Amino acid sequence: GAVVSQHPSWVICKSGTSVKIECRSLDFQATTMFWYRQFPKQSLMLMATSNEGSKATYEQGVEKDKFLINHASLTLSTLTVTSAHPEDSSFYICSADTSGESYEQYFGPGTRLTVT
Amino acid sequence: QKEVEQDPGPLSVPEGAIVSLNCTYSNSAFQYFMWYRQYSRKGPELLMYTYSSGNKEDGRFTAQVDKSSKYISLFIRDSQPSDSATYLCAMNRGAQKLVFGQGTRLTINP
Repeated sequence: GAVVSQHPSWVICKSGTSVKIECRSLDFQATTMFWYRQFPKQSLMLMATSNEGSKATYEQGVEKDKFLINHASLTLSTLTVTSAHPEDSSFYICSADTSGESYEQYFGPGTRLTVT
Repeated sequence: QKEVEQDPGPLSVPEGAIVSLNCTYSNSAFQYFMWYRQYSRKGPELLMYTYSSGNKEDGRFTAQVDKSSKYISLFIRDSQPSDSATYLCAMNRGAQKLVFGQGTRLTINP
């Protein structure tokens, strides 16, 4: 149980285009989903917290107009990187909270984004 | 000072050894303590979580929390090459975002 999927697993796009990443909880309903960014050999950096049916809460320094998050249902959250630039190239990982207290988060396999 | 400190390693041990991974933290309000395992280019996998102080065992893995010292540990017994990964500690106060350590890269040599 507690499986989270992400799609796509990797994507290459040209500078200036937008990319959408999907995060789905496959066997449970997730009230809260989280989006992280991870650079090579570094830890996870929380970008935003997403609650179903409401606006996402962004961490300080994360541009909400650039990283659009939509949590349309209890099993799906999407992250859209708008007008992507090479510095947006990174590993994006989502997680879903099963506990309601954020301590039992299950992570997706991640999406590697390369912007050329 | 970071809220959570974790030695990034790398740590290399022979197969069968007992591995000890540790994190220290500064926020005494943390109540939930987690250990995640992350293989290269994969998402983190939740290994164990512990509430407050004490020990928790799951197979070859044991998690310990010492709130008085603000110190948590993960022990791996009879380590296997398949345990080679990056191990991340994480913690929070409940209903709050997780705060992650930097992660320790572990290699188990056959």
